[in-house]
Amino acid sequence: SQQGEEDPQALSIQEGENATMNCSYKTSINNLQWYRQNSGRGLVHLILIRSNEREKHSGRLRVTLDTSKKSSSLLITASRAADTASYFCATDARGTSYGKLTFGQGTILTVHP
Amino acid sequence: KAGVTQTPRYLIKTRGQQVTLSCSPISGHRSVSWYQQTPGQGLQFLFEYFSETQRNKGNFPGRFSGRQFSNSRSEMNVSTLELGDSALYLCASSLGLSLYEQYFGPGTRLTVT
Repeated sequence: SQQGEEDPQALSIQEGENATMNCSYKTSINNLQWYRQNSGRGLVHLILIRSNEREKHSGRLRVTLDTSKKSSSLLITASRAADTASYFCATDARGTSYGKLTFGQGTILTVHP
Repeated sequence: KAGVTQTPRYLIKTRGQQVTLSCSPISGHRSVSWYQQTPGQGLQFLFEYFSETQRNKGNFPGRFSGRQFSNSRSEMNVSTLELGDSALYLCASSLGLSLYEQYFGPGTRLTVT
């Protein structure tokens, strides 16, 4: 079963708006990562946040992590049509690392020009 | 640095046949992980190799196997193909010392008829 669950499953916004995606997970983690995937291609790494971090920024991306609630959010500010993609959170659960990431089902983001 | 490469990009096989997929990691990366992506099950971890040793394995039948060579290149093999093996197979590389960011290749799209 998937460790991470994303919400919403699909999000449709206009260019310039902000997009927020949420991820929940079940077990204790070392890190949480966010990835983007365009049209069934490979995944592009966006950002990694460690379990002892609460917030991280990278360009137009802002990620928060609440380990007490086992949840994370990804905020994309001033969205562009090129941000249209599927977004996945992925966790490495403590005690089961060694290259294993557990992915959520993803959020499909559509940004209309 | 060159990214992760996977060959072939597309493959069509018949039920009962076997297939071998190849992955070349980013130079200097010693860990290679393999994932299967399907519309129904999402992204699922297959196995991970580090320095030619399998360190972790997901919940897949024994028909799925892999190996890693001394130059860190990895192959995965699926024997006795079933229709349900149709999927996008992704490999990812990382430094592997702990769970750093994983960098994904473009994937191999396998269709079993």
